[in-house]
This record gives sequence, structure tokens and C-alpha cells, in this order.
Amino acid sequence: AQKITQTQPGMFVQEKEAVTLDCTYDTSDPSYGLFWYKQPSSGEMIFLIYQGSYDQQNATEGRYSLNFQKARKSANLVISASQLGDSAMYFCVSSGNEKLTFGTGTRLTIIP
Amino acid sequence: EPEVTQTPSHQVTQMGQEVILRCVPISNHLYFYWYRQILGQKVEFLVSFYNNEISEKSEIFDDQFSVERPDGSNFTLKIRSTKLEDSAMYFCASSEGVGAGYTFGSGTRLTVV
Repeated sequence: AQKITQTQPGMFVQEKEAVTLDCTYDTSDPSYGLFWYKQPSSGEMIFLIYQGSYDQQNATEGRYSLNFQKARKSANLVISASQLGDSAMYFCVSSGNEKLTFGTGTRLTIIP
Repeated sequence: EPEVTQTPSHQVTQMGQEVILRCVPISNHLYFYWYRQILGQKVEFLVSFYNNEISEKSEIFDDQFSVERPDGSNFTLKIRSTKLEDSAMYFCASSEGVGAGYTFGSGTRLTVV
């Protein structure tokens, strides 16, 4: 079984600042993936970034980077130079066999 | 960019009625999923489907639920007799393989009244 913990229910960040969204995971699977998805108020689920458990380097996708610390079982999302459009719910997600396990999410609000 | 398409985007139904939620996964994907998100709560796994059969299902996916891939392109979720607590956003997703990227549809918001 997999478990994802997101300890920040909500965050407020000034525009153009960097922000780190925390995520820790617990899994017994030897191989797994970690994802971050963004859910704006319109409701759709938007893929942001993926990290495989055997990847040596931290994943990066534009302004998004994933700070993967395997020994600590953490997979924090870093958003650099935040924009107003980044305001949304962010989910940390793990995959083991097939299904995805979602965290409870962090609601990020960017302040102008 | 290929996308997963879900219809309808919103559905309101009376308690006890049957509903069918439709999804068109990405054409070369092999794995299909349904997830749901009750308002204000976390996203929950319902079922995964591979090779024309259910590969895994959650406790939520009881006898009221069924999935089908009737024609090689559509992937449907049927709820036989809806209950008030079935009100949620239902997401379809597909992937090329286990551990590959998952693409979600934009969801169907189901409201049972």
C-alpha cells in the first residue's frame, strides 16, 4: 500500500517568489513513480512533473522542479518565479503497480 | 498534444437513476482508469482496466459500478442506481503502461439530487 502526506493544506506566496510544496510518501514497492498534478478552480487535473524512484537526477520541467530525497521519502515540488496563474490545488501522487495514490493536496494562492 | 476526452462535463441525475460517464482515452494507451473526487476531498482510485478486463478495483467500486470498453475507443463508467453520496467529480485517465505518464480527462461533475 502507498500513502502520500501533504502537510500544508494552504499556502500564500507573493508573486515572483519561489515556493516549495511539501510531500512525503510511504511505499513498500521497490519501484515507484512520483508525480505532481495541478488542479485549477475549473477542476481539470494537469500533469506537472514526474520522478522515477531510480532516477538519479531530480526532475525539472520549466519553472517546476522536484526535490527528490529518497532516503527521507520526500518529493517536494519547487515552483520558481511564481505567477498569478499558479494559484490552484496541487496534488502529490505516487504510482506503484498501476493505480495512483493521491495526497490531500495543498491549495496555493499567489498574491499580487 | 493527445488528450483524454470526457463527456458530459456536467450531469445532474435523480437518485436511483442509472448514469453512464464516457471517456475516450488516448489511442495508443493500454491502461485505463476511473478516479473520483468528492467535493473538497482527495482523489480516490476506483478501477483500472487493461486488456479488456478489470485489473484492479477499490472498495468503493461495488456492484453498483461497472466499466466497459464497448467499441475499442470509448471507455465507460456506469453507475446503476445512483445515491446522493455518488455526487463527485469523476476523472478518466489513461497511460501507455505501468509507471508511464498518466493523462487525465477534464472530468465529469456528477450531481445526484
